[in-house]
Amino acid sequence: GESVGLHLPTLSVQEGDNSIINCAYSNSASDYFIWYKQESGKGPQFIIDIRSNMDKRQGQRVTVLLNKTVKHLSLQIAATQPGDSAVYFCAENMYSGGGADGLTFGKGTHLIIQP
Amino acid sequence: KAGVTQTPRYLIKTRGQQVTLSCSPISGHRSVSWYQQTPGQGLQFLFEYFSETQRNKGNFPGRFSGRQFSNSRSEMNVSTLELGDSALYLCASAGAENTEAFFGQGTRLTVV
Repeated sequence: GESVGLHLPTLSVQEGDNSIINCAYSNSASDYFIWYKQESGKGPQFIIDIRSNMDKRQGQRVTVLLNKTVKHLSLQIAATQPGDSAVYFCAENMYSGGGADGLTFGKGTHLIIQP
Repeated sequence: KAGVTQTPRYLIKTRGQQVTLSCSPISGHRSVSWYQQTPGQGLQFLFEYFSETQRNKGNFPGRFSGRQFSNSRSEMNVSTLELGDSALYLCASAGAENTEAFFGQGTRLTVV
């Protein structure tokens, strides 16, 4: 079956540096992509989303890039802080273009912030 | 505005039993989706309800079922529990525009 995957299970960065988390997806029919952050003991928290008609979207300290040619999604976090420590998941949605209906999640990247 | 509330937070059941988990979405949200999270399989989609109707379903056996009430609260039921059903069960709600979804903290189910 088709799935969304992440390149690295763990990423360690220095506090203050920029972080880049990558994700490869396989379903070219997917229309909507989301990045979630999950802290220990909590449910996933929405970070930012992007639709297939865009290639870049910026939020507060975060940027998502979508490259449909190579089916690649990335999350950039600027000036990484200790509070950014978490597992980050990318997800794709084929059904409705929004919400949490039928999301396919990647395996997750654990972001570790070094002091 | 209260977030997505899942009850109970923790549950221990014996193989062969059944279990019902509850999810109260954010006020005004009509879409509720359920996910199973395990270390081995990650986050997997179970099903989604909108206005009391199941719109989509993931690849899980018929032992997994759900429903949604007129107030948008949702329940999921797992019958004839197996050890492999031990997982964190998450629900997420989204508004009528079906955009950003908000997850609850989940119910940790342990089957012994």
